[in-house]
Amino acid sequence: QQQVKQSPQSLIVQKGGIPIINCAYENTAFDYFPWYQQFPGKGPALLIAIRPDVSEKKEGRFTISFNKSAKQFSLHIMDSQPGDSATYFCAASGDTGFQKLVFGTGTRLLVSP
Amino acid sequence: NAGVTQTPKFRVLKTGQSMTLLCAQDMNHEYMYWYRQDPGMGLRLIHYSVGEGTTAKGEVPDGYNVSRLKKQNFLLGLESAAPSQTSVYFCASSYGGSGKLFFGSGTQLSVL
Repeated sequence: QQQVKQSPQSLIVQKGGIPIINCAYENTAFDYFPWYQQFPGKGPALLIAIRPDVSEKKEGRFTISFNKSAKQFSLHIMDSQPGDSATYFCAASGDTGFQKLVFGTGTRLLVSP
Repeated sequence: NAGVTQTPKFRVLKTGQSMTLLCAQDMNHEYMYWYRQDPGMGLRLIHYSVGEGTTAKGEVPDGYNVSRLKKQNFLLGLESAAPSQTSVYFCASSYGGSGKLFFGSGTQLSVL
């Protein structure tokens, strides 16, 4: 059962473009929404996270937009660079005593020079 | 500071063989996790532990066993490997119940 749906599966943008990756969730108990970045041959690493009490969070060139009523959240990468080429995973978890994350299926991003 | 260390990095097994994947963390984290990553399926939780001596099933536990005898170590065992267990396995740890997971660099396992 896919609790977090992520799209697109892959994405190619030119340097300087703004790739957008979207995720949708079903469980209204989710209250923590992180994004993880994974480079080839490495494990995922936390990039940025948001809680539903805010609609947007920025950290450097990375922004999460959150729409609680639509149960959707997205990652925007401003002024994308070739070094941003990686696989991005959205995730969600709820207050079940501890944060057991459910991951999306991932988006492979390629930023061309 | 090594973080989360997984061994081995690569392994090839024949169907029916057994093996143990080792995970060690030096961050004094209480929580540890084992995930598998398959193309198009993201990261799926196999087993997890909320403290030394405790383990619990995740989303896809069948065919795997785990042990957490020491706080810093979390072992994943395959008793009788099957081709369906060909995957990349990631260990992770977190401080308390936070959603910020620290991942190891993975173990690529092929079962022939």
